[in-house]
Amino acid sequence: AQSVTQPDIHITVSEGASLELRCNYSYGATPYLFWYVQSPGQGLQLLLKYFSGDTLVQGIKGFEAEFKRSQSSFNLRKPSVHWSDAAEYFCAVGAQAGTALIFGKGTTLSVSS
Amino acid sequence: DTEVTQTPKHLVMGMTNKKSLKCEQHMGHRAMYWYKQKAKKPPELMFVYSYEKLSINESVPSRFSPECPNSSLLNLHLHALQPEDSALYLCASSQEPGLNYGYTFGSGTRLTVV
Repeated sequence: AQSVTQPDIHITVSEGASLELRCNYSYGATPYLFWYVQSPGQGLQLLLKYFSGDTLVQGIKGFEAEFKRSQSSFNLRKPSVHWSDAAEYFCAVGAQAGTALIFGKGTTLSVSS
Repeated sequence: DTEVTQTPKHLVMGMTNKKSLKCEQHMGHRAMYWYKQKAKKPPELMFVYSYEKLSINESVPSRFSPECPNSSLLNLHLHALQPEDSALYLCASSQEPGLNYGYTFGSGTRLTVV
């Protein structure tokens, strides 16, 4: 069965600094990988997804993620963080033939001025 | 219209009440989902509807009863809930069943059971 781990529970980054959120997955084949963001009391917004092809994926709001099969990782990056990026970030994985997403426990991002 | 709309946004109900959560999308998506999210936790899948038929029930207690009256509407009927059922209930949809297109989530209904 597939699973996903987000090692960092809480990260604080200064505004304007770069960001990297870690995600590791466990799955026998190439999984479908997603990053979602959730602001307090809100639903989840899809930032980007990876199915196949180019391992560097561009998403919305200036985010990108890189799929590294050798490390079973799909880390999310942003070169310059804005205060509005403060939120909960979820990495999710699914099987290619599956229907349901499995979410990691999430990483809370705080942005300091 | 690229949204999933959930109503109500907030709901407080007693343990003997019957209430319903509503989810609507007009994107022509053929799969719809109910997730439950407790505070500081990731969303957990409850139900999946594919082409208006229930395809996955993640061993959810019978006090939660889903219904898909048509391809645009998904309901979650609630009866005799417990305080531990208090959570954010998220609805999502996807163009087709499966993960090729990702999910579009609604803003959720925050449910409090008293």
